[in-house]
Amino acid sequence: GAGVSQSPRYKVTKRGQDVALRCDPISGHVSLYWYRQALGQGPEFLTYFNYEAQQDKSGLPNDRFSAERPEGSISTLTIQRTEQRDSAMYRCASSLGPAGNTEAFFGQGTRLTVV
Amino acid sequence: AQRVTQPEKLLSVFKGAPVELKCNYSYSGSPELFWYVQYSRQRLQLLLRHISRESIKGFTADLNKGETSFHLKKPFAQEEDSAMYYCALAGLGAQKLVFGQGTRLTINP
Repeated sequence: GAGVSQSPRYKVTKRGQDVALRCDPISGHVSLYWYRQALGQGPEFLTYFNYEAQQDKSGLPNDRFSAERPEGSISTLTIQRTEQRDSAMYRCASSLGPAGNTEAFFGQGTRLTVV
Repeated sequence: AQRVTQPEKLLSVFKGAPVELKCNYSYSGSPELFWYVQYSRQRLQLLLRHISRESIKGFTADLNKGETSFHLKKPFAQEEDSAMYYCALAGLGAQKLVFGQGTRLTINP
């Protein structure tokens, strides 16, 4: 399939460990987004890239969260020293252009549980 | 500040009945409004956007700037409409989407 692919689908980690979540966007999509969704809430913006450039990281909750997209394709969201409050569904999306103008396609998400 | 409010977390209607999912927004400029849907065990996907003025799967949504609303409507609900629905907005040309909390729609047979 040619959709957005996220891995792993499920991740259980112990508090204090680092985790890396991967997103493989649709080929040719310029823009890539990360969202976090807590239980019972809608997706909340974290950060986005155009090509390899991180254009907006205003949604990252603190400096334990970082993201990169070094070659303008696959992106990794890293959470250092995980805490229980980081438990959530992490969603990646990609689009040809700005989400306000073009359709954003979402991956299946990574369910992160910090124990 | 940009905000999307979906007042109903749960909505249950009978098959064949009309359905309306409410969405209100707060935005100082001209927003782009969207409805996203997530069916069971599927990924979040775009249902419709106000700028395209389409009817998708029998659903329509009208942007009411006076009431700052973008309610989603369907005259005759079907069982396959059962899903989680999210209203979202983006500023014109903006990159990020701001989502509401979502409404879980259940269509009873």
